[in-house]
Amino acid sequence: AQKVTQAQTEISVVEKEDVTLDCVYETRDTTYYLFWYKQPPSGELVFLIRRNSFDEQNEISGRYSWNFQKSTSSFNFTITASQVVDSAVYFCALSEFAQGAQKLVFGQGTRLTINP
Amino acid sequence: DTGVSQNPRHKITKRGQNVTFRCDPISEHNRLYWYRQTLGQGPEFLTYFQNEAQLEKSRLLSDRFSAERPKGSFSTLEIQRTEQGDSAMYLCASILTGELFFGEGSRLTVL
Repeated sequence: AQKVTQAQTEISVVEKEDVTLDCVYETRDTTYYLFWYKQPPSGELVFLIRRNSFDEQNEISGRYSWNFQKSTSSFNFTITASQVVDSAVYFCALSEFAQGAQKLVFGQGTRLTINP
Repeated sequence: DTGVSQNPRHKITKRGQNVTFRCDPISEHNRLYWYRQTLGQGPEFLTYFQNEAQLEKSRLLSDRFSAERPKGSFSTLEIQRTEQGDSAMYLCASILTGELFFGEGSRLTVL
């Protein structure tokens, strides 16, 4: 069965610090997608990134970067120079490619608090 | 606003009552999903529609739950004879291609 583990339940840092959110996944499939979503207090899940299992290149988008390592089944997310607006719950998720139906399996989430 | 719309946003009900939630997806999106999120947990898949056809249901969806998507547009999720364990956020998402777009959810509290 597929499983996503986000071991960090809560993280609190001071503004401008760098912070890394860990994600470890389990799947028997060779083809799959990995995702990160942000959930602000309003409740809506905001898409951040999708990665397929064949693309292990790290990705950077502004202050956000993602490190995908298939060898360790990890897909970690780093925020550089954090800001108060980054405070939210962040979810890592896994989807089987073959389904094409985006049936996502989510981790438990990491609550990130950025203090001014 | 052309995003995924859900209503009501909040619903408080007494145990044993029926409740219904509505989801209006992004108009051209042919696939629609329902997820449930309990406090402190990640969302869990409940069911999925392609157009009007309900193609998959999770074992989490007991007989008290029913979802419909008439005409392949909006969808409803009904919970009959609610129990306290049904208290959760019910999230709707839609997709055409690419990533899922989620609504803000409907929060259910069963007293």
